[in-house]
Amino acid sequence: AQKITQTQPGMFVQEKEAVTLDCTYDTSDPSYGLFWYKQPSSGEMIFLIYQGSYDQQNATEGRYSLNFQKARKSANLVISASQLGDSAMYFCAMRERTPLVFGKGTRLSVIA
Amino acid sequence: EAGVAQSPRYKIIEKRQSVAFWCNPISGHATLYWYQQILGQGPKLLIQFQNNGVVDDSQLPKDRFSAERLKGVDSTLKIQPAKLEDSAVYLCASSLRLADLTDTQYFGPGTRLTVL
Repeated sequence: AQKITQTQPGMFVQEKEAVTLDCTYDTSDPSYGLFWYKQPSSGEMIFLIYQGSYDQQNATEGRYSLNFQKARKSANLVISASQLGDSAMYFCAMRERTPLVFGKGTRLSVIA
Repeated sequence: EAGVAQSPRYKIIEKRQSVAFWCNPISGHATLYWYQQILGQGPKLLIQFQNNGVVDDSQLPKDRFSAERLKGVDSTLKIQPAKLEDSAVYLCASSLRLADLTDTQYFGPGTRLTVL
């Protein structure tokens, strides 16, 4: 069974607009962590944001925020004020008491 | 603070040849990971080390892949003999500690392997 599902293979957004990248997860463990990474064409995975299953508030890091809906098992990434440099692959990942498991990713293209 | 270093960045070999990748983690990071990322997919863990001991190598194809982390710092991943399906990006990551859900992994730039 797939642990992390990213249903949007590709997304387009206008520069300066906000965009939401979807991520749903599957776990029966009450303790888990959710991560988002950005992978530009250069190939390096860049850590963006973390949300713990017991965190009361949604995580935010600069222009990135995580819309965490525990009951729905979703952890969507919101990027505000998109920039051309945000064009990349975005991966959602989850960690239980197991290694980090990644989704298949969403390719975001920012249009000028 | 220096990031995770990997070399080479690119490698092209023929099937049945051998290849080795090198990784130097962030200073002070006890945990080191090797991932395989096939085109169009997310990274898949191959092996993880805590200091110089193997924590999980359940997804490592041990008939052809091997990895070591001597002295608990640098690590080498080897493929011998390579198959066409080994064409992928091999990512190395490191983190401070393993037994913590908040432990963030930091990745190197990866090695893109093409097997002809």
